Amino acid sequence: KQEVTQIPAALSVPEGENLVLNCSFTDSAIYNLQWFRQDPGKGLTSLLLIQSSQREQTSGRLNASLDKSSGRSTLYIAASQPGDSATYLCAVRGIQGAQKLVFGQGTRLTINP
Amino acid sequence: DAGVIQSPRHEVTEMGQEVTLRCKPISGHNSLFWYRQTMMRGLELLIYFNNNVPIDDSGMPEDRFSAKMPNASFSTLKIQPSEPRDSAVYFCASSLGWGGRADYNEQFFGPGTRLTVL
Repeated sequence: KQEVTQIPAALSVPEGENLVLNCSFTDSAIYNLQWFRQDPGKGLTSLLLIQSSQREQTSGRLNASLDKSSGRSTLYIAASQPGDSATYLCAVRGIQGAQKLVFGQGTRLTINP
Repeated sequence: DAGVIQSPRHEVTEMGQEVTLRCKPISGHNSLFWYRQTMMRGLELLIYFNNNVPIDDSGMPEDRFSAKMPNASFSTLKIQPSEPRDSAVYFCASSLGWGGRADYNEQFFGPGTRLTVL
């Protein structure tokens, strides 16, 4: 059974810093991995989707990397801003049942002005 | 596009009552997903549909939960009878469909329904 872990559970950094959020998964037989952002009381917003054949994906100040063999992904946020404060979740799709997403518990990020 | 629409946004009910949550997926999307989010268990997939047909309901916690998708633009998740442990945020998501292209299975989430069962 696939398990997804995100460490740390919470992170607080000053504005302007570059930071890395971590995601690990136990079964490397994945189809793709998706990073989401969730603001308090809101739904999830898709940030990046990285296919199993890719090593990284970039969108603006965000860069997601994937090392499938070691079961790890990172989300790099450059020049953090207070508006980046949210919970970040990663989710993986297995090769079996490729429509099913298995989520991590998330990292609650706070950017201090 | 309005995105995925869910109603109601908040629901407070008493134990034993029937609860119906509603979802309208993004127009043109062929797959629909129901999730539940709690502090203890995080986000869990309950059931998903392809072309209005339930594909996998293994995440539905028990027989008190049922979901239907009578047409491509509407789905319901029903809990009868409701219990306090059903209190959670319920999300609906939709995607274009399934297959080899990444954009086909990228899921878009609605704002959720916060359910409180007293």
